[in-house]
Amino acid sequence: KAGVTQTPRYLIKTRGQQVTLSCSPISGHRSVSWYQQTPGQGLQFLFEYFSETQRNKGNFPGRFSGRQFSNSRSEMNVSTLELGDSALYLCASSKYPGRLGETQYFGPGTRLLVL
Amino acid sequence: KQEVTQIPAALSVPEGENLVLNCSFTDSAIYNLQWFRQDPGKGLTSLLLIQSSQREQTSGRLNASLDKSSGRSTLYIAASQPGDSATYLCAVQMGETSGSRLTFGEGTQLTVNP
Repeated sequence: KAGVTQTPRYLIKTRGQQVTLSCSPISGHRSVSWYQQTPGQGLQFLFEYFSETQRNKGNFPGRFSGRQFSNSRSEMNVSTLELGDSALYLCASSKYPGRLGETQYFGPGTRLLVL
Repeated sequence: KQEVTQIPAALSVPEGENLVLNCSFTDSAIYNLQWFRQDPGKGLTSLLLIQSSQREQTSGRLNASLDKSSGRSTLYIAASQPGDSATYLCAVQMGETSGSRLTFGEGTQLTVNP
C-alpha cells in the first residue's frame, strides 16, 4: 500500500512570492495534518483537515492556509513568503482524527528554501 | 498547554549496547503517545503507538512504556546497531476535540558507533 506522498520535494522561492504544497494521504485515510519543522522551533502543527473541513489550526499567521479535496488530497499555501518560512513541511495522514489508537503516518516532506 | 520534553538531547553509544530514551509531558490527559524516527532531511517513520490505557508496546528490538500518571514514556532499544542512528521523537495526542494534532518533543539524536 502506497504511503503518504508529498510534492514537490524541494522548492526554492524568493521573498514575497507564494507557494503551494501538495499532500496525498494513504488510500482510505481521510484526515490530513500539516507540520512545519525548523531547527529552532522543532515540529509545529499548522492545521488539520477532515472531510474537506479544517478541524484544528495551530498558531500561524493567516499567510498559511490550506484546503482538502473530495479525494482527501490536501494542499497548503503560503503567501507573501518570508525568510523565516524556510523549513521542512510535513504532512501526516490517518483514517479519522482524534481516535484512540489511531496511528499517524508521515510523508517525506517538502523542503522549502526562501531566498 | 501541553509541553513535551525529551532527554537526553543527544546520545552516542557503541554497537550492541541497550539504551533508553526518555520523554515527559506536562498534561497527563493524553489519548495516544507515538514514537517516531527521523533520518536526516527525511520524513518521520512511526515506530510505536501507545494508547492512554496501555502500559507498553513492543516491536522487534523496541519497547515503549507509558506511565500516564507521572507524565513519562521511555523507548528501550535492545542490542543497538549502526542503522539505528537517527533522531527519535515522541509526540502526544490529546483528546478527541484536539483531533489528530500532535505535540512533539525536541527529539533525541542517537549515534550508534560500529
